[in-house]
Amino acid sequence: DIVMTQTPLSLSVTPGQPASISCKSSQSLLHSDGKTYLYWYLQKPGQSPQLLIYEVSSRFSGVPDRFSGSGSGTDFTLKISRVEAEDVGVYYCMQGIHLPITFGQGTRLEIK
Amino acid sequence: QITLKESGPTLVKPTQTLTLTCTFSGFSLSTSGVGVGWIRQPPGKALEWLALIYWNDDKRYSPSLKSRLTITKDTSKNQVVLTMTNMDPVDTATYYCAHRQLGIAYAFDIWGQGTMVTVSS
Repeated sequence: DIVMTQTPLSLSVTPGQPASISCKSSQSLLHSDGKTYLYWYLQKPGQSPQLLIYEVSSRFSGVPDRFSGSGSGTDFTLKISRVEAEDVGVYYCMQGIHLPITFGQGTRLEIK
Repeated sequence: QITLKESGPTLVKPTQTLTLTCTFSGFSLSTSGVGVGWIRQPPGKALEWLALIYWNDDKRYSPSLKSRLTITKDTSKNQVVLTMTNMDPVDTATYYCAHRQLGIAYAFDIWGQGTMVTVSS
């Protein structure tokens, strides 16, 4: 199984400040079709996970442009340019290239 | 607008079989490139993928749970059913179904609200 390792596991950010979450996979997520199957989700308190980013850096419909994804191969990053109160929750990375599909352990973001 | 909703028992006894139904709208599971997956989340823990079924009836399972899982679809009813045998207290979790499509690199783009299942005697 591909292991997805997120750091940090928690972070506390002042509104308006940036935030960054790292996700490292134990194997490359680059497929022979040229796509990299790495996704980012946010699970707000008491809610289902919601898709933020797919294919490393593509924002899903309706996702604010303060969210951005980058990376390649085995190293990926989710950045929030200016954290807002509504961004609190747990962020998960997920890989979809190899079965079983696996998730990171989650990064909890709180507002200072 | 795509929506999914999970339904099933909230409480099952150890060794029993769990049957969960995902009822969806806004898409068809007979459309090429579309799939529905099941993911679970024990209280306070991370997400765990369980199973997938695609428009062409291709089925995939988590290897660690494969012997206990069965996923089926009823295209006419817009439903996907997941059964899990020999339930154990460690299977206590919120179970989600989610839509998956080729057009966005097979992301789970829309999730149901989840259904909490407790395994206890």
